[in-house]
Amino acid sequence: LAKTTQPISMDSYEGQEVNITCSHNNIATNDYITWYQQFPSQGPRFIIQGYKTKVTNEVASLFIPADRKSSTLSLPRVSLSDTAVYYCLVGDSNGGFKTIFGAGTRLFVKA
Amino acid sequence: SAVISQKPSRDICQRGTSLTIQCQVDSQVTMMFWYRQQPGQSLTLIATANQGSEATYESGFVIDKFPISRPNLTFSTLTVSNMSPEDSSIYLCSGRVLNTEAFFGQGTRLTVV
Repeated sequence: LAKTTQPISMDSYEGQEVNITCSHNNIATNDYITWYQQFPSQGPRFIIQGYKTKVTNEVASLFIPADRKSSTLSLPRVSLSDTAVYYCLVGDSNGGFKTIFGAGTRLFVKA
Repeated sequence: SAVISQKPSRDICQRGTSLTIQCQVDSQVTMMFWYRQQPGQSLTLIATANQGSEATYESGFVIDKFPISRPNLTFSTLTVSNMSPEDSSIYLCSGRVLNTEAFFGQGTRLTVV
């Protein structure tokens, strides 16, 4: 499983766009990139997954450059309730792979 | 996605005793996993619960300490045996269906005194 590197923490203000970048230099050809969100006292929750270019859903966008060695989770117009830990994971989504978590990025949104 | 229920949600236990945590999914899943999360830390995978056979443990975790059962495709248990204060943590159950993302229970907060 490819190792991921993310910033330990980030601060933002309400209404701003937040971009969290994840580095995964050893990503394999069949690996997908998945992001999870975890609030205190809750289990992680799936946010978004992608393989290349750009993926967007109702919660976030995921940007993946052509070399796939990094990815950026973009949260538009964050609110206080987006304060959470965000995890970037890399692996093969087709094989029932083990979900291995890195350190994650602790996002703190201020009023 | 499917919903996972964990029981108990929290417990305070005496050292030397054992606690069994139950994980129930509301639909069949291909794979089930157990994690541990220390306060302020990331999740650490304990083992993969295999249906009808012995669990597959990650490095640093052994069956004698964390016996796991998975009798069917919707249920699993994790036992924390002979507990010490170092076992105080949040234990999370996770399920996954092939080609989809993993989903998690709310966790069991264990305090060993």
